[in-house]
Amino acid sequence: KQEVTQIPAALSVPEGENLVLNCSFTDSAIYNLQWFRQDPGKGLTSLLLIQSSQREQTSGRLNASLDKSSGRSTLYIAASQPGDSATYLCAVISGTYKYIFGTGTRLKVLA
Amino acid sequence: KAGVTQTPRYLIKTRGQQVTLSCSPISGHRSVSWYQQTPGQGLQFLFEYFSETQRNKGNFPGRFSGRQFSNSRSEMNVSTLELGDSALYLCASSFQPGQGATGNTIYFGEGSWLTVV
Repeated sequence: KQEVTQIPAALSVPEGENLVLNCSFTDSAIYNLQWFRQDPGKGLTSLLLIQSSQREQTSGRLNASLDKSSGRSTLYIAASQPGDSATYLCAVISGTYKYIFGTGTRLKVLA
Repeated sequence: KAGVTQTPRYLIKTRGQQVTLSCSPISGHRSVSWYQQTPGQGLQFLFEYFSETQRNKGNFPGRFSGRQFSNSRSEMNVSTLELGDSALYLCASSFQPGQGATGNTIYFGEGSWLTVV
């Protein structure tokens, strides 16, 4: 059974820091991996989707990497801003096209 | 372009009652998925509908059911509510079926907060 874990569960950093969020999964037979952000009391917003054949994807200050063989993905946020404060979720997608979500990392960027 | 709309946003029900939640997808989207989010279990997939047919389902008891109408709007129903059903229920829509499929961008609504007392 696929299990997805995110470490740390919570993170507080000063504005301007570069930071890395981690996502680990137990079954490397994934189709894609996707990162989302969730603002308090809101739905999810898709940030980046990495296909299993890719190693990384970039969008603005965000860079996500994928290492299928080791069951890991990282989300790198450059020059963090208070507006980046949110919960970040990774989700692995199996061949049956169902999301299995991670436990989430709650990020707070202090001004 | 309107986003995914979920109603009601907040509701309180009593144990044993049943509840119906509604989701209107983005115009033109025919795939609707439902998720339950709780502090203990996190985000879990309930089911996915495409063109009025359930395409995929998660591991939830039969008390949880859903349907999709010809206009792609979807409803989910929970019967015989239990305290553990208290959660944020999220709906998402996409143009095609298949969560996380390449090129199939998914959009989430803001959710319906259900409290069971």
